[in-house]
Amino acid sequence: GQQVMQIPQYQHVQEGEDFTTYCNSSTTLSNIQWYKQRPGGHPVFLIQLVKSGEVKKQKRLTFQFGEAKKNSSLHITATQTTDVGTYFCAGLGGTSYGKLTFGQGTILTVHP
Amino acid sequence: KAGVTQTPRYLIKTRGQQVTLSCSPISGHRSVSWYQQTPGQGLQFLFEYFSETQRNKGNFPGRFSGRQFSNSRSEMNVSTLELGDSALYLCASSQTDEKLFFGSGTQLSVL
Repeated sequence: GQQVMQIPQYQHVQEGEDFTTYCNSSTTLSNIQWYKQRPGGHPVFLIQLVKSGEVKKQKRLTFQFGEAKKNSSLHITATQTTDVGTYFCAGLGGTSYGKLTFGQGTILTVHP
Repeated sequence: KAGVTQTPRYLIKTRGQQVTLSCSPISGHRSVSWYQQTPGQGLQFLFEYFSETQRNKGNFPGRFSGRQFSNSRSEMNVSTLELGDSALYLCASSQTDEKLFFGSGTQLSVL
């Protein structure tokens, strides 16, 4: 079945440093989504990428979807303490209605 | 609009018991998905319902079941609870673009 791998599992950064998490799928995806889960909270949708090679930005966050639609990345520039949490990618396969496959998540800690 | 509502928020059960969790989706959302979240396994897909029909199912044993009602509300049932079923159970609703809106979850502890 479809698998989505995400690395790294943990990332500790000093406030102001950059952060990147990577996501790789075993199969071609129709789209990929990113979610953020704050400690003690629930996942919250950040963005959806659909097109091959797509790049989207949200303030300090940059999201990329690979040309082959099998990988994606999330880059945060100049991290802030409010960025702490777990970042998940989630891929949707071509025929998997409603079945988003989540990566294991990257737990980001930001030291002030 | 009200968000996704899950009840109860916390639940403590003993092995062998059964449990029913409830989820009310965002008004107008017809798809409801259930996920199990544990520290070691991340978010694992349980099943997804759309218009009262189960469209997709994850790799969980038959002890895990669900259903969706005509008003899109959904329930999830776990029978013969095991210690390993302790987890946060998240419900998410969506419209046709598959973007998920999660509820706060039900934290289930099996003793």
